Amino acid sequence: AQSVTQLDSQVPVFEEAPVELRCNYSSSVSVYLFWYVQYPNQGLQLLLKYLSGSTLVESINGFEAEFNKSQTSFHLRKPSVHISDTAEYFCAVSDENQGGKLIFGQGTELSVKP
Amino acid sequence: DSGVTQTPKHLITATGQRVTLRCSPRSGDLSVYWYQQSLDQGLQFLIQYYNGEERAKGNILERFSAQQFPDLHSELNLSSLELGDSALYFCASSEAGTSDYEQYFGPGTRLTVT
Repeated sequence: AQSVTQLDSQVPVFEEAPVELRCNYSSSVSVYLFWYVQYPNQGLQLLLKYLSGSTLVESINGFEAEFNKSQTSFHLRKPSVHISDTAEYFCAVSDENQGGKLIFGQGTELSVKP
Repeated sequence: DSGVTQTPKHLITATGQRVTLRCSPRSGDLSVYWYQQSLDQGLQFLIQYYNGEERAKGNILERFSAQQFPDLHSELNLSSLELGDSALYFCASSEAGTSDYEQYFGPGTRLTVT
C-alpha cells in the first residue's frame, strides 16, 4: 500500500530565508507525486507535480521539488520565502493504477515571520 | 476560486442524524472525488466517481454513500452520524479520471456533530 510521511508538522522560518519541507513516500510501483497548498479557510490548490521526465519540477511562485527515487523522497524547497507563503502544505502520492485517488501526508504548517 | 462549489458551507447536527453534502464540479470535469479532513486522521480519500460510475473507493464507512448524477454533480450522504464524523469534507473535480489530471478542490463543508 502507498503511504506518505511528512517529517515536520510545523516549520517556522523568517521572511527571505530558504525553506525545505520534507516528504517521503512508500510505493511498490511507479508513482505520481504532488504538493498541494492550503491557505487558511480555503480548499487545497495544486502547487506542483511530478508525473515523469525531469526529476526537478517547479511552480510559478518560486517553489521547486525534486523526485529522488533511490531515497523515495519529494522534498519541497524555496530559496527565499515571503509572508504570503504562510500556509499548510500537503505532499500526496498516486499512480496510474489508482484512478484519481490521492494519498496525502499529514501536512506541514509553514509559518513565515517578518 | 477553483470553480468547484460545495453546499452547505457549515452543518451542525446531532448524533444519529443523516446529512447530505452537495458538490458541483468545474464545467467540463467528468470526475468527482470526496475527501475527509480531520485532526486525527488528516486528509483521507473517500470515493471517486467518473461520469456517473464509481471509479475508486478509499476507507469510506458503510454509513457513508455517494453518487454522481447525470448532470455530474455529486452528493455524499452520511448517516447514523457519530461525534467522530465531525470533519471538513472536500469535493474535488478533474477533467478525466486518472491522477495525472489536476484535481481542483472546493472550499469544503465543515460538519459538526454534537
